[in-house]
Amino acid sequence: AQRVTQPEKLLSVFKGAPVELKCNYSYSGSPELFWYVQYSRQRLQLLLRHISRESIKGFTADLNKGETSFHLKKPFAQEEDSAMYYCALGRGSGNTGKLIFGQGTTLQVKP
Amino acid sequence: DADVTQTPRNRITKTGKRIMLECSQTKGHDRMYWYRQDPGLGLRLIYYSFDVKDINKGEISDGYSVSRQAQAKFSLSLESAIPNQTALYFCATSDSSTGSLGANVLTFGAGSRLTVL
Repeated sequence: AQRVTQPEKLLSVFKGAPVELKCNYSYSGSPELFWYVQYSRQRLQLLLRHISRESIKGFTADLNKGETSFHLKKPFAQEEDSAMYYCALGRGSGNTGKLIFGQGTTLQVKP
Repeated sequence: DADVTQTPRNRITKTGKRIMLECSQTKGHDRMYWYRQDPGLGLRLIYYSFDVKDINKGEISDGYSVSRQAQAKFSLSLESAIPNQTALYFCATSDSSTGSLGANVLTFGAGSRLTVL
């Protein structure tokens, strides 16, 4: 079955602490992995995608095909990082655009 | 102005009523989607349209129908609303002209919160 699992509903850390939001996927093909973020009173938006191998707002995520994971990391959390984060699986061929989303993790960064 | 506009933003209705949620976009994207967000379940795909004449069911299409009136407009209808359709509904678009990578980057509307009593 094709699925995305985010095991933590809520992750609460203090400002300056490291952050890791976990994401595991199940997909037999060649996956495209994304992190989408929804800040308070803002739209859901793309944060980063594995193929770009970029750092956005200090966040990075590495695709580990052996562990089927795509964890989101940031070494020093900021209060403005507080948001809902969704990991999403994109599939190729005729399934492009039909993303499978995880359950979401709320990140709460305390002062 | 927003690239993807959803109306209404909030709606309260009663069981059995017909409801239409509308979505319009100025992105010029060919693909449009309707997702439903429920706490603890994430976003689930209801229907999607790859172009005006190509409409397909997603994973949870029962009880819903859609219409792609133009490339820029994609409406979601609940023919006879029921309480378990209470949710936050998102319209999204993507552009397939740049290949699969572009097609997987979704632009979302602000959401339509529907409550069915």
